[in-house]
Amino acid sequence: QVQLKETGPDLVQLTQTLSITCTVSGFSLTTYNVHWVRQPPGKGLEWMGAMWNGGGTDYNSAFKSRLSISRDTSKSQVFLKMNSLQTDDTAKYFCARLGNNYGYWYFDFWGPGTMVTVSS
Amino acid sequence: DTVLTQSPALAVSPGERVTISCRASESVSTGMHWYQQKPGQQPKLLIYGASNLESGVPARFSGSGSGTDFTLTIDPVEADDTATYFCQQSWNEYTFGAGTKLELK
Repeated sequence: QVQLKETGPDLVQLTQTLSITCTVSGFSLTTYNVHWVRQPPGKGLEWMGAMWNGGGTDYNSAFKSRLSISRDTSKSQVFLKMNSLQTDDTAKYFCARLGNNYGYWYFDFWGPGTMVTVSS
Repeated sequence: DTVLTQSPALAVSPGERVTISCRASESVSTGMHWYQQKPGQQPKLLIYGASNLESGVPARFSGSGSGTDFTLTIDPVEADDTATYFCQQSWNEYTFGAGTKLELK
């Protein structure tokens, strides 16, 4: 049974660094890609970046050099780290598995998300 | 970036047919997918590749389109379908529409 679960702080201070862990089960990180998506309160979804099954990463240019994604395959965990947090980084952060069928790539399983508030 | 435009909200009566549209700023071929999100929950995949129904999703949901214009249809609508529906493309990186909030009368 495929599951993803995000764990992280509820509150982060302005300009500090956010660290969130996505722990997965039911599949291998060396077989599937895991992505990060965030959603500010009452707003839409924003793709942040990806950890590829081969160990590479890809980032949304909107986050420039603030964002870093890594993994520990032995623990089935993917990590998001983002620095220089601002109040508009307040959002629910999701990790999601990238599925594939018929040559299409889509997010087939999502974690419940973790809400992070950036406080001044 | 490929921008996806959705109408913000719709209201329909149970039993009716509803179509939710999504327009892309450039062609995404059939690399369009649809998700349902209820308040406080994560998105749930409904349709992938414009028209392929995800396993376990009721056949009341269907998708169509290619290029820049796509449609999600729910027929008939049930009370449990109250949610926000997002389109998402994976042809040019990954972007989401702003969502269409579906309310039942």
